[in-house]
Amino acid sequence: DQQVKQNSPSLSVQEGRISILNCDYTNSMFDYFLWYKKYPAEGPTFLISISSIKDKNEDGRFTVFLNKSAKHLSLHIVPSQPGDSAVYFCAASAPRNDYKLSFGAGTTVTVRA
Amino acid sequence: DAGITQSPRHKVTETGTPVTLRCHQTENHRYMYWYRQDPGHGLRLIHYSYGVKDTDKGEVSDGYSVSRSKTEDFLLTLESATSSQTSVYFCAISESLGRADTQYFGPGTRLTVL
Repeated sequence: DQQVKQNSPSLSVQEGRISILNCDYTNSMFDYFLWYKKYPAEGPTFLISISSIKDKNEDGRFTVFLNKSAKHLSLHIVPSQPGDSAVYFCAASAPRNDYKLSFGAGTTVTVRA
Repeated sequence: DAGITQSPRHKVTETGTPVTLRCHQTENHRYMYWYRQDPGHGLRLIHYSYGVKDTDKGEVSDGYSVSRSKTEDFLLTLESATSSQTSVYFCAISESLGRADTQYFGPGTRLTVL
C-alpha cells in the first residue's frame, strides 16, 4: 500500500513558467518530506526538504509547501528551465520507522523551449 | 558528488541464475541501502545496513539477500533471479538515520532477467 502518492505521472511546462508538482501522503506519522530529482541513467539527487513544523521552505527557484491538515505537499519551480526536465520523486519519513524513506511513483517534468 | 559506485551498471541474466550487485562508497558513511525502481512504484527499499554485518529488511526483501563485510561495500544478491526482479537497482548511503540526514544515491544498475 503506497503511503506517498504522486498522481500526475507527467507535466509539460513552457520555459519561464511555473511548474507545480503535487504529492499526497496517507501516514500521519510522517514528519519530514523531501523532493529528489532524477535524470535518465543517473541516481536521484536531493533537491529540497521540509519539516512538519514548517509550511514552506525555499531554495532559490524551488519552493516546497506543506499542508499537514490535507496531507499534501507541493513543489514549485519558478521559473522553469530546460535543465529542470527530469523525474521528480516525493519522499517522506517518520521517526517511528527510523526515518527510512517512502517514495512516490514520480512525476516526469518536460520543460518546452 | 558523494563517492558511490555500483557494479555492474548493466546486466542481462537468465531466470534461475544467481546475481550479485555491488555498491562501493568512499564516504565512510555508516548506513547503506538498496532500492529498486519500477514504473508506477517509485523507489522501494529492499534491504539496508546500519553497520558492518548489521542488516535489516525493507519493504520488498523477498528473493534478495545482502551482506556487508566492510564499511565501504554493500552487496545485494539474487539467489535465483526471476523475471519479476527485472528492474533498476540503486544503492544509497547516509551518515545517520536522523531526520535531516540526506540519502545520497549511486548511479544505478539496470538488471534484465530473461
